[in-house]
Amino acid sequence: NAGVMQNPRHLVRRRGQEARLRCSPMKGHSHVYWYRQLPEEGLKFMVYLQKENIIDESGMPKERFSAEFPKEGPSILRIQQVVRGDSAAYFCASSPRPDRIYEAFFGQGTRLTVV
Amino acid sequence: DQQVKQNSPSLSVQEGRISILNCDYTNSMFDYFLWYKKYPAEGPTFLISISSIKDKNEDGRFTVFLNKSAKHLSLHIVPSQPGDSAVYFCAASPTGGGKLIFGQGTELSVKP
Repeated sequence: NAGVMQNPRHLVRRRGQEARLRCSPMKGHSHVYWYRQLPEEGLKFMVYLQKENIIDESGMPKERFSAEFPKEGPSILRIQQVVRGDSAAYFCASSPRPDRIYEAFFGQGTRLTVV
Repeated sequence: DQQVKQNSPSLSVQEGRISILNCDYTNSMFDYFLWYKKYPAEGPTFLISISSIKDKNEDGRFTVFLNKSAKHLSLHIVPSQPGDSAVYFCAASPTGGGKLIFGQGTELSVKP
């Protein structure tokens, strides 16, 4: 049973480009969460999705950031027109149910560097 | 607004001794607390959790204590081993589940 798979592991983008981060949840998990870790800080919640639904996007920046979890395929976190401040590690987690958050597993993260 | 705080950025302990990592929170609506361990360039790994209706949970060398009146929890590792060296994050889950609120992390170094 593969864990949460994130790709790419490392992504370098020039300012103004788009970044697409992918997350495939664990088998049997239909709840996906995205977190961002800025240097020297803890993880900050961004968005919580179920298949084809955004449940909670209270941590998402108002502009340039979007997320989806389609019926088929991985969850995608999309950052348009990246800026240097977007450089961070982005982690995805999945769980079987939201009330069983202790069963959430994290992927290894995507490290985004904006140059 | 930092709802979950880990005030010690780092902790150094001798192998075989006890490591105590602390965490404070402000929101009384949290109903589940978790500790994660994280190595560089990897994702957080779940370590141990505790429900708000309990005051202690033990799993091998790891014990988490919850003091609801003080809004404080701690992770005890006994005995500490060099392989325990990592960053430890405290996290809290609001009632109903969903997202986790993380502290800033404490870097534990266990010296042989």
